[in-house]
Order: sequence, then structure tokens, then C-alpha cells
Amino acid sequence: QITLKESGPTLVKPTQTLTLTCTFSGFSLSTSRVGVGWIRQPPGKALEWLALIFWDDDKRYGPSLKSRLTITKDTSKNQVVLTMTNMDPVDTATYYCARQTSGSYPRLDYWGQGTLVTASS
Amino acid sequence: DIQMTQSPSSLSASVGDRVTITCRASQSISNYLNWYQQKPGKAPKLLIYAASNLQSGVPSRFSGSGSGTDFTLTISSLQPEDFATYYCQQSYSIPGAFGPGTKVQIK
Repeated sequence: QITLKESGPTLVKPTQTLTLTCTFSGFSLSTSRVGVGWIRQPPGKALEWLALIFWDDDKRYGPSLKSRLTITKDTSKNQVVLTMTNMDPVDTATYYCARQTSGSYPRLDYWGQGTLVTASS
Repeated sequence: DIQMTQSPSSLSASVGDRVTITCRASQSISNYLNWYQQKPGKAPKLLIYAASNLQSGVPSRFSGSGSGTDFTLTISSLQPEDFATYYCQQSYSIPGAFGPGTKVQIK
């Protein structure tokens, strides 16, 4: 059974750094062609792809937030961490992590429940 | 980067109706197109990958088609549990952009 769960603060102040952890089970991030990604969704709005880390430590970022994001993995702990610097109220959103399986066609086949992060003073 | 659009942004339909949602990519993505369903307060759920492949456990009333830049998601007979928002996502290149979503509401 594959599960993912996001954890981190529910409230951050503007200019602070957000650190979110995705803890997963049922698969290994050392398996070829597997990745874990982060996606966010502001209240009432659409999904936004943020970042992805692959089994081989290849890291990719969405262009609009690339300068503020860092994604890392700890394979032994089955965790992926996303940091976002200089938080702003517009970053208020539900943040999801998800497994990306590739095969021939990448897709996000398992998702965490999401965690709502509010950026406010 | 590849941009995704969807139409309509929302629709009202009745149980038993056939529903079609369209997704368009800003450039050709072959068949690297996924569809997700999201219900209020829940995480998205993968329905279809590679444009037309049904994810395991997804009812057969859902189907997808298309290639290149134009894609469709069809629900052959809408059920009460299908009222949700549907998102397409391209997986041809990174970042894997999502469409803006289509909300399917009860008529």
C-alpha cells in the first residue's frame, strides 16, 4: 500500500522560509524512474506544479518559483523535503506531494492528503 | 514552457448525461496527457494517463482521447459521485503544467 503524507507548519509569517516534509511508504525513491513531486493549490484556484526530485537525485523546478525552491530527499527515511524562501501571502495554499511513476508516460499516481499553509503576519 | 487550457471552465449536467471536457496544449505533446479528478477538500486522483489509458480501479465510463495538442475526457453516463473538478496535465516536458480545471456541477 502506497501512502504519502505532508507535514510542516500551518502558519508562516511573510519573509520566512517554509519547510515541508513528505513522508512516504510502500515504494522506494531509489527505484529507477520514480520521483516525488510537490504541487500546490491556492484556495479556490487551480493546481500549480512546483518541483520534482527523481530517484537519481535529478531535481527540477517550475520556472516561476525556481529561485525560491529547494527540493531534497532522504532515501533512508523515505522523505522528501521542500523549502520555499521569502514567503508571501500569495503563497497561501494547500501543498501536496505526489509520487511520479514513469514507465513510458510520467504521471502522478499517488497523492498525499495535502497540508494547508497560510502566510500571514 | 507548455501552457494548458481547458473548456468549458464549468458545466452543469444531470445524472446519466454524457459529458465531454476539452484540453488543449500550447504545442504538440504527443499523447503525454493525464487527467485528474478532484473533489472538494480532497487530493486529486489520477483517472487517465497517456491520453487514453485508464488508471487501475477507475470506472470504464471514463475515457480519454486525443494526441498532439487537442484532447478530450468523456464521461459516458454521469454518476452522482462524478460531480467534481477535472484537471488535465501535460507530462511531455518539465514543468508538468496543469490546466485551469473544469468544474462539473449538478443541473
